[in-house]
Amino acid sequence: DQQVKQNSPSLSVQEGRISILNCDYTNSMFDYFLWYKKYPAEGPTFLISISSIKDKNEDGRFTVFLNKSAKHLSLHIVPSQPGDSAVYFCAASAWGGSNYKLTFGKGTLLTVNP
Amino acid sequence: EPEVTQTPSHQVTQMGQEVILRCVPISNHLYFYWYRQILGQKVEFLVSFYNNEISEKSEIFDDQFSVERPDGSNFTLKIRSTKLEDSAMYFCASREGDPEAFFGQGTRLTVV
Repeated sequence: DQQVKQNSPSLSVQEGRISILNCDYTNSMFDYFLWYKKYPAEGPTFLISISSIKDKNEDGRFTVFLNKSAKHLSLHIVPSQPGDSAVYFCAASAWGGSNYKLTFGKGTLLTVNP
Repeated sequence: EPEVTQTPSHQVTQMGQEVILRCVPISNHLYFYWYRQILGQKVEFLVSFYNNEISEKSEIFDDQFSVERPDGSNFTLKIRSTKLEDSAMYFCASREGDPEAFFGQGTRLTVV
């Protein structure tokens, strides 16, 4: 039951260029979306989020775009840096009581080459 | 910067034994979670905890699992009788009110 899909298991970009990571979802009840970054042997680190009432949220080099009609979101990293190399997880949640449990995609391994 | 801390970082146990994974959430957070990631698979929700009770649990969280907040700072996950398929990274997470959850570094559980 893949409610959140990250279809690209890996992505390789050159330092200074743009990295675009994609995510699709199927559950129309999702109303909040998050991106996490994960290094090996560490826990996921929150990066940026977006509510379903918005279509764009920007924080420094990171921008998340949401296309609700297509049930698609993307994370743009500009410019990409070697330290950005990590696994990026897309996650989604739906307001249900006070829960906000997260449903994760399988992740995309980003490699930024110097 | 406040962070979620988990102990131990690695736990090896024999099949059928009980294990307790420990977490100290961020101090002013109100909502607590356990997730797990089996090697090569996605991070999966196990259970959420709020106001001293379970608010939601997944199908994975069967009778062999339990959670407890024994005092004002700790949040524990107990697996009563471990199975080989319980081997995974277990992540504790907490949040204050906004949806953004903050994760610990994880406990790698190996059942042999």
